[in-house]
Amino acid sequence: EAQVTQNPRYLITVTGKKLTVTCSQNMNHEYMSWYRQDPGLGLRQIYYSMNVEVTDKGDVPEGYKVSRKEKRNFPLILESPSPNQTSLYFCASSLSAGGAYNEQFFGPGTRLTVL
Amino acid sequence: GQQVMQIPQYQHVQEGEDFTTYCNSSTTLSNIQWYKQRPGGHPVFLIQLVKSGEVKKQKRLTFQFGEAKKNSSLHITATQTTDVGTYFCAGLMRSNYQLIWGAGTKLIIKP
Repeated sequence: EAQVTQNPRYLITVTGKKLTVTCSQNMNHEYMSWYRQDPGLGLRQIYYSMNVEVTDKGDVPEGYKVSRKEKRNFPLILESPSPNQTSLYFCASSLSAGGAYNEQFFGPGTRLTVL
Repeated sequence: GQQVMQIPQYQHVQEGEDFTTYCNSSTTLSNIQWYKQRPGGHPVFLIQLVKSGEVKKQKRLTFQFGEAKKNSSLHITATQTTDVGTYFCAGLMRSNYQLIWGAGTKLIIKP
C-alpha cells in the first residue's frame, strides 16, 4: 500500500531532551516536507527537500533540523525542544516539486507535547 | 513574506445549504491545490488548478482559479454531513517550489 508513515504518533517529552520524529514513504517520491499545524494558523512548512541531500528552510525552521540521506526517509530532529514546539506535525511527500505531479501525500501526524 | 489569505475561518451552514471558501495570494502562483482535512485526520488532496481562469468540478464541488492566478475559490453545493471538515488551499510559489498554505476554512453543519 502506498503510504507515508510517521513515528511516533504521540509523544510527550520535557524541555531540552533531544528527539527525532521519523518519516518514511514507499512511493519513490522526490519531494518531502515537514509541517506543523496549530489552531488558527493552518499548516506551516518547517523544512522541505527536493531530493536526496537537498534540503531547504520553510516558513518556520528555527529549532528544527532535517536530513535526507535516502530518498524514502526524511527525519525531523528537535535538538532541544521547547514548549512552543508543542504542536501537531505532518510529514508529506510528492512525486516532484512542481508541474503536474506535486499532489502532497500526508502521513497520519505526530502529536508532540513539550513540558 | 509570501502569504495566502483564506476566508472565512469558519462557516456554519444548515445541511443542504451551499458553502464557499476563498483564497487570495500576495503574489502570482504557479498553481493552487485544495485539500480536505476531516476532524482528527490528515489533509487529503482534492484537486490542483494550473491554468489562468480554470474551473474544475467534482460532483458538488466547484473549484476556480482566478485570471491573474492570485485567487481561488471552492464552492460546495447542497452540503452534506460528509462534507464536514477543514478545507485548505495551498499555492505553489514559482520561484522556489514552496507551498504556501491558507489557514483553512472549517465547515460546520448546524444540527
